[in-house]
Amino acid sequence: SYELTQPPSVSVSPGQTARITCSGDALPRQYAYWYQQKPGQAPVMVIYTDSERPSGIPERFSGSSSGTTVTLTISGVQAEDEADYYCQSADSFNWVFGGGTKLTVL
Amino acid sequence: QVQLVESGGGVVQPGGSLRLSCAASGFTFSSYGMHWVRQAPGKGLEWVAFIRYDGSNKYCADSVKGRFTISRDTSKNTLYLQMNSLRAEDTAVYYCAKYEHRTGAFQHWGQGTLVTVSS
Repeated sequence: SYELTQPPSVSVSPGQTARITCSGDALPRQYAYWYQQKPGQAPVMVIYTDSERPSGIPERFSGSSSGTTVTLTISGVQAEDEADYYCQSADSFNWVFGGGTKLTVL
Repeated sequence: QVQLVESGGGVVQPGGSLRLSCAASGFTFSSYGMHWVRQAPGKGLEWVAFIRYDGSNKYCADSVKGRFTISRDTSKNTLYLQMNSLRAEDTAVYYCAKYEHRTGAFQHWGQGTLVTVSS
């Protein structure tokens, strides 16, 4: 079955750049999406189709893709960015989420 | 604005059944596919099921195949998830999500409803 692999945790200091990766065999041919989830809240989409940012999402959030890996980059991390981040993709009507990455702002 | 409100969660014994509902508003419900996604306590997101905008096709995860059924009632702007033969591992918060077919994104999410399977 199709799987997406993320690091369990990433830690950065305020103002630094956080990079969260997601790897999967289908990523070269399928788009990736990123969702932010804060404790007790529903997920919120922050990046779609690899690198597009929805309206209302700060410009410091960006996405990129290279081969079997996609990356969510948060530039100038702020305390409010501390959350769990999930990548997501799909292959043949099977939607898959990565295991999630906990971003800690030190 | 888009609103998705789940209901129907609760405590059920193993082997029991439950039907979840997701009331949609703020968009043309009949024009969008819809998903159910769940999250076990302290765990990650798991896709559960999808139904096309017109109900013509349905897909579900292997973990729930044969036990869960997704459906929709356009006249009521409501999405459903019928869950049968429930197991302890089905314990989770269940979210409904609006699918944006042009981008492939889970564009909007409800706040979720908790299902606990326990004796």
